[in-house]
Amino acid sequence: EPEVTQTPSHQVTQMGQEVILRCVPISNHLYFYWYRQILGQKVEFLVSFYNNEISEKSEIFDDQFSVERPDGSNFTLKIRSTKLEDSAMYFCASSDIRQDTEAFFGQGTRLTVV
Amino acid sequence: AQSVTQLGSHVSVSEGALVLLRCNYSSSVPPYLFWYVQYPNQGLQLLLKYTSAATLVKGINGFEAEFKKSETSFHLTKPSAHMSDAAEYFCAVSDSPTSYGKLTFGQGTILTVHP
Repeated sequence: EPEVTQTPSHQVTQMGQEVILRCVPISNHLYFYWYRQILGQKVEFLVSFYNNEISEKSEIFDDQFSVERPDGSNFTLKIRSTKLEDSAMYFCASSDIRQDTEAFFGQGTRLTVV
Repeated sequence: AQSVTQLGSHVSVSEGALVLLRCNYSSSVPPYLFWYVQYPNQGLQLLLKYTSAATLVKGINGFEAEFKKSETSFHLTKPSAHMSDAAEYFCAVSDSPTSYGKLTFGQGTILTVHP
């Protein structure tokens, strides 16, 4: 069964460092998403990406964040200068273009900023 | 803007008992509604979804949910709990016309199943 793959599963970084989280969406999907879940809190939408551009973003997704689809398979989330409060589980998801489809989620990357 | 409220952050049932996890939503347009399950140290797995077809939706692992527009609810049920159902359950709503996977999640309900 096709699945969304995220790497690494766990990343520890120092405050102020740049970090890139990687995702391989399901191959025939056209919409891509990043979500985050701070420990003990809701899963929150960060950004959606379609046709090589951001289609929607939340207020969380500020100038410190960026997304990119550098090739035909990967979808990345970059945090330019990490803060302690960026520590969270980050989920990548992808979906088909059909209106009644659901988002398929990866296993997540646990980011710890120290 | 849409929102989701899950009543009860923790629900505990005995094995074999009815599972009822409550979800209420608000949306300015007809919504798509989803239940996802998260097992420890794993990602989010879709249990079931409502996309304006039948109001009673059947999902995986014996779960089902009923969309009730008049009550703005989408409660998740399972007639008989199994130990393997212990997990965190998230209700989510999507009403974005451009990003159908853009979801607003509830805060989650942790289901504990006792022997």
